[in-house]
Amino acid sequence: GAVVSQHPSRVICKSGTSVKIECRSLDFQATTMFWYRQFPKQSLMLMATSNEGSKATYEQGVEKDKFLINHASLTLSTLTVTSAHPEDSSFYICSAWGFNQPQHFGDGTRLSIL
Amino acid sequence: QKEVEQDPGPLSVPEGAIVSLNCTYSNSAFQYFMWYRQYSRKGPELLMYTYSSGNKEDGRFTAQVDKSSKYISLFIRDSQPSDSATYLCAWNYGGSQGNLIFGKGTKLSVKP
Repeated sequence: GAVVSQHPSRVICKSGTSVKIECRSLDFQATTMFWYRQFPKQSLMLMATSNEGSKATYEQGVEKDKFLINHASLTLSTLTVTSAHPEDSSFYICSAWGFNQPQHFGDGTRLSIL
Repeated sequence: QKEVEQDPGPLSVPEGAIVSLNCTYSNSAFQYFMWYRQYSRKGPELLMYTYSSGNKEDGRFTAQVDKSSKYISLFIRDSQPSDSATYLCAWNYGGSQGNLIFGKGTKLSVKP
């Protein structure tokens, strides 16, 4: 069964809307969660690394005010795309890592901004 | 030179064939090696995970790591149509086991 649950799987919304995506670790405590973005026919690009109880670390070129990450517990991290625009349309995937675990990925969220 | 090189394919094989997927890397600091399978519109699914040179077998899948040559392979025996997916090689630097470096992925199609 799924080790990491990501919700929602699909979002379609108007430009200017803020969208929240949840990532839950079901079977283990995730010390670290990662957020990726994937464009069609491209590999995963790491956006940010989130450790429970501390601020996320963003990769170069990723706007932290645009992509708000909260990792309030060992089983839940959220990514909020604020004031989304069409260029933010993409496939967003989270992963979770815990002690003695490789990274396990969620099933992704397909975000479409009209 | 890119950190990870992976032939994007596409690779098309008949059902029952042995599939060989390969990646090369340039950074000798990489310690952990993984293969993920990604179906269309889904997140990557971990297939194999190892940190040492040599072979690791799991059912029809065998992962091979050659640290001296900086080369990893994934072999799929008796390939099935359900194996049709994109296969991603990945590395990290160890320690927290975070910050995976991915290859671009090889798209595999197994024809019945």
